[in-house]
Amino acid sequence: GQNIDQPTEMTATEGAIVQINCTYQTSGFNGLFWYQQHAGEAPTFLSYNVLDGLEEKGRFSSFLSRSKGYSYLLLKELQMKDSASYLCALTTDSWGKLQFGAGTQVVVTP
Amino acid sequence: ETGVTQSPTHLIKTRGQQVTLRCSSQSGHNTVSWYQQALGQGPQFIFQYYREEENGRGNFPPRFSGLQFPNYSSELNVNALELDDSALYLCASSSRTPGANEQFFGPGTRLTVL
Repeated sequence: GQNIDQPTEMTATEGAIVQINCTYQTSGFNGLFWYQQHAGEAPTFLSYNVLDGLEEKGRFSSFLSRSKGYSYLLLKELQMKDSASYLCALTTDSWGKLQFGAGTQVVVTP
Repeated sequence: ETGVTQSPTHLIKTRGQQVTLRCSSQSGHNTVSWYQQALGQGPQFIFQYYREEENGRGNFPPRFSGLQFPNYSSELNVNALELDDSALYLCASSSRTPGANEQFFGPGTRLTVL
């Protein structure tokens, strides 16, 4: 099975940078995803890492270290609309079945 | 391109009843996965359908069952509803092609069991 840990909540001010860590233990690994979920809405895809290293997409970057079982999502130039839950998810096969962490609630303050 | 749609948006049932939730996959997608998301938690994988066959199941009892139709739309059926079944039920569709790992989620069905 898998065990996925991420902090429950983080608070940061508008314009700042926040890093959300995700650690995992798994018997198989086929990729790690980050999703954003606003309250009452569906998760939306942010990033996918399957190889070690940093993937950058505009204000959002995601990093993976498979040997350490560790990933982070970096949110730069925070905006109020970035207030949401950020979900770390693993897939262990090529069929895309996702195992999610509990999510990190990011609160952006003025 | 039409996104993933789910119906109904909200549903209230009582313990012991049965419920059917529906999902239409995104155009071009042949795989549908269902997830249950309790309040304050991450989504939990229920099962996945590919070409009308169940292709993997999470830790959910047999009273959770599903179907996929030739047009790739899908249903989730839950029998003998329990209070703990109250949750947001999410459907996600994807395309089973190399490199296409992203799953696209529908808006969800909020089920309340009283």
